[in-house]
Amino acid sequence: AQKVTQAQTEISVVEKEDVTLDCVYETRDTTYYLFWYKQPPSGELVFLIRRNSFDEQNEISGRYSWNFQKSTSSFNFTITASQVVDSAVYFCALSDGSNFGNEKLTFGTGTRLTIIP
Amino acid sequence: DSGVTQTPKHLITATGQRVTLRCSPRSGDLSVYWYQQSLDQGLQFLIQYYNGEERAKGNILERFSAQQFPDLHSELNLSSLELGDSALYFCASSPLVRTEAFFGQGTRLTVV
Repeated sequence: AQKVTQAQTEISVVEKEDVTLDCVYETRDTTYYLFWYKQPPSGELVFLIRRNSFDEQNEISGRYSWNFQKSTSSFNFTITASQVVDSAVYFCALSDGSNFGNEKLTFGTGTRLTIIP
Repeated sequence: DSGVTQTPKHLITATGQRVTLRCSPRSGDLSVYWYQQSLDQGLQFLIQYYNGEERAKGNILERFSAQQFPDLHSELNLSSLELGDSALYFCASSPLVRTEAFFGQGTRLTVV
């Protein structure tokens, strides 16, 4: 069975600080996909990134970066120079890559990030 | 804007009633997923349709059912509603394979 653990329930940082959100996953599949989604106060789920299990390269997109380490089954998300607009709940998710056409996501419980002005 | 449209945005109904939630996927996306987000269960996968056929089922109650129509829009039917069914219901869509799912804004269901 697949499982995603986000141990940090809530994090608060002062604006402009860097913050890392942790994600640990469990799966027996050799092919899988990892995701991060953002849920701002307005409620929608916004896609941030998707990585496949064969690509361990770290990725940077503006102030956002992701660190994928298969050895520790982790897919951590770092926001550099945080801004108030980054305040949201962030979800890490996992999908099975071996089942053609079934891309259901297993979500973690989310981390509520508050950026203090 | 993700391109996935869900209606209605808010719904308040009484216990025992039946409601229908509607989802229009992004243009060209064949897969539609339904998820439930509640305080106690978090984000849970309910069901997936692919090009009109049921593809996968998650923790969906027997009182709930869904379908995907030939024009690819989908409906989630919730019947004999209970207070515990109050939640945010999301629809998501994705293209054929191996791509990310884009979520609608959700329908907030309140059962009173």
